[in-house]
Amino acid sequence: EVQLQQSGAELVKPGASVKLSCKTSGYTFSNYYMSWLKQMPGQNIEWIGNIYGGNGGTGYNQKFKGKATLTVDKSSSTAYMDLSSLTSEDSAVYFCARQGSWGNWFAYWGQGTLVTVSS
Amino acid sequence: DVVLTQSPATLSVTPGERISLSCRASESVDTYLHWYQQKPNESPRLLIKYASQSISGIPSRFSGSGSGTDFTLSINGVELEDLSIYYCQQGNSLPTFGAGTKLELK
Repeated sequence: EVQLQQSGAELVKPGASVKLSCKTSGYTFSNYYMSWLKQMPGQNIEWIGNIYGGNGGTGYNQKFKGKATLTVDKSSSTAYMDLSSLTSEDSAVYFCARQGSWGNWFAYWGQGTLVTVSS
Repeated sequence: DVVLTQSPATLSVTPGERISLSCRASESVDTYLHWYQQKPNESPRLLIKYASQSISGIPSRFSGSGSGTDFTLSINGVELEDLSIYYCQQGNSLPTFGAGTKLELK
């Protein structure tokens, strides 16, 4: 069974950074892309970018370049997302989602991590 | 970026009813259009991929159709557990999502 387990909720101060994790199991990590997505309360879902588990190759939504940095640790089948220079606009739920075998669709999702930016 | 417009924003339904939700793309996305269901405080769940392909484990009352710019998600016999928000998503280019259609009880 494919599982994506995300790290817990974060309360961070404006200007700080935070690193979110997404630990996977039930499939071959290096064979798939992992995407990260953002959902602000009551709002639409935005695609941040993706990373290939095999070689760490990344693709980003231009909107999130400089804000998000995606990495992987193949040894632990875990994906990470660093968010920097946080503002209130970064307060949201962040999901990791494993893409399908081919193409930009999201077959499996983590449970989400709530990030709250507040002083 | 491709803009996806979903309609209606909210749909009031009666259990057992057959309903259709619309998703219109600002440019052709071929059949690279996927549908998700999201319940409150849960992550989205994939319902339909590539406009009309079924997903293992998803009830057969859910079906999808369309290509190019106009797509439809149909639920044949709505059940109470289907009261959720439904999103379409295109993967023909940088992935984008529609704003969602909320199903509520009439």
